Amino acid sequence: GAVVSQHPSWVICKSGTSVKIECRSLDFQATTMFWYRQFPKQSLMLMATSNEGSKATYEQGVEKDKFLINHASLTLSTLTVTSAHPEDSSFYICSARSWGGTADGYTFGSGTRLTVV
Amino acid sequence: ELKVEQNPLFLSMQEGKNYTIYCNYSTTSDRLYWYRQDPGKSLESLFVLLSNGAVKQEGRLMASLDTKARLSTLHITAAVHDLSATYFCAVDMVSIQGAQKLVFGQGTRLTINP
Repeated sequence: GAVVSQHPSWVICKSGTSVKIECRSLDFQATTMFWYRQFPKQSLMLMATSNEGSKATYEQGVEKDKFLINHASLTLSTLTVTSAHPEDSSFYICSARSWGGTADGYTFGSGTRLTVV
Repeated sequence: ELKVEQNPLFLSMQEGKNYTIYCNYSTTSDRLYWYRQDPGKSLESLFVLLSNGAVKQEGRLMASLDTKARLSTLHITAAVHDLSATYFCAVDMVSIQGAQKLVFGQGTRLTINP
């Protein structure tokens, strides 16, 4: 089945620094990947759709300059949280769309817990 | 804009009992997903429902889809403690701009007591 690897699993950073999170599709090519943020005891909120070779599409209210997304290959998308602040602390999850057979659907990474101190 | 609503949001039940979680959505869609999330973990795929009348079962969980009513249900039979988790439904949609994305319900936090 389709596998999505996300790293790191958790990260602690100081306010004002930047953090990069990687999302890789291991056994399929993903032209589109999705980045979600989840606050404690809440649902997943889509932040942006990452498109291979083109600009990401951000959801309303998400700051493009703060959450930089790069999707330079068919298997890798990265999310960089720039100038992080404590309010950016959250659980970030990526997913990729796979097509066909038993792998048809959305596969989610294991998530990254970001704590900004 | 597509809205997905689950109820109940919280459910505490005893082992051995049956219960149903409901998922309503506001516009037409041809795909509905159910996911399980354990505390501190990411999402685990449970079911993909692709057509009206679709029913899928795995162990004590059974999911169904009524596209005419825009309703999906997740039924739990003879609950056991291991099923304690948060359950999300999510609907596939295509935006006005032609982009495909998942829209999630609020989640149902299920606690099963001995």
